[in-house]
Amino acid sequence: GAVVSQHPSRVICKSGTSVKIECRSLDFQATTMFWYRQFPKQSLMLMATSNEGSKATYEQGVEKDKFLINHASLTLSTLTVTSAHPEDSSFYICSAQKASPGDTQYFGPGTRLTVL
Amino acid sequence: KQEVTQIPAALSVPEGENLVLNCSFTDSAIYNLQWFRQDPGKGLTSLLLIQSSQREQTSGRLNASLDKSSGRSTLYIAASQPGDSATYLCAVQHAGNMLTFGGGTRLMVKP
Repeated sequence: GAVVSQHPSRVICKSGTSVKIECRSLDFQATTMFWYRQFPKQSLMLMATSNEGSKATYEQGVEKDKFLINHASLTLSTLTVTSAHPEDSSFYICSAQKASPGDTQYFGPGTRLTVL
Repeated sequence: KQEVTQIPAALSVPEGENLVLNCSFTDSAIYNLQWFRQDPGKGLTSLLLIQSSQREQTSGRLNASLDKSSGRSTLYIAASQPGDSATYLCAVQHAGNMLTFGGGTRLMVKP
């Protein structure tokens, strides 16, 4: 149990376009989902925390107008990279957590974004 | 602000060696500490999770310890194999349900 999927697994887009990444909890309800970004040979950095039905909380330095997060249901959160640029190329990973604080976060397999 | 540090950043060992990876964190107010494995270009695989009230967890050839008061954890890998080659990340879960990751240790086990 506790499986999280991401779609797409890999995406290549042109500079200036927008890309949407989906994160789904397949067999549990996730009140909280997290979005991380990982640059090559670096660790994961938290971008934002999203709670179902409310606005996401963004970490310092993350532009909320550029990285739009929607957590419309207890099993789905989406991250839209708007007007993507080459510097947005990265590995984006989501995680999902059940109801209780301190519960384990279950990670998706990640999405590799390449902006040309 | 919670900071997590992993030492060494990279490690290369011959097959069969026992090895220890280190993780330290600055704020001891944590819910748990987790060790992950990440293969190149892939997502995270959870290896071991230690709750703040626990001292260690074991899974097969892996043993993780936690000393919350000193802000340290170790991951012990026994009888290393080439298939263990990967990046190992530790992460602490703390206030706000945030996970803060260390920089990782890149492990290479040579046949």
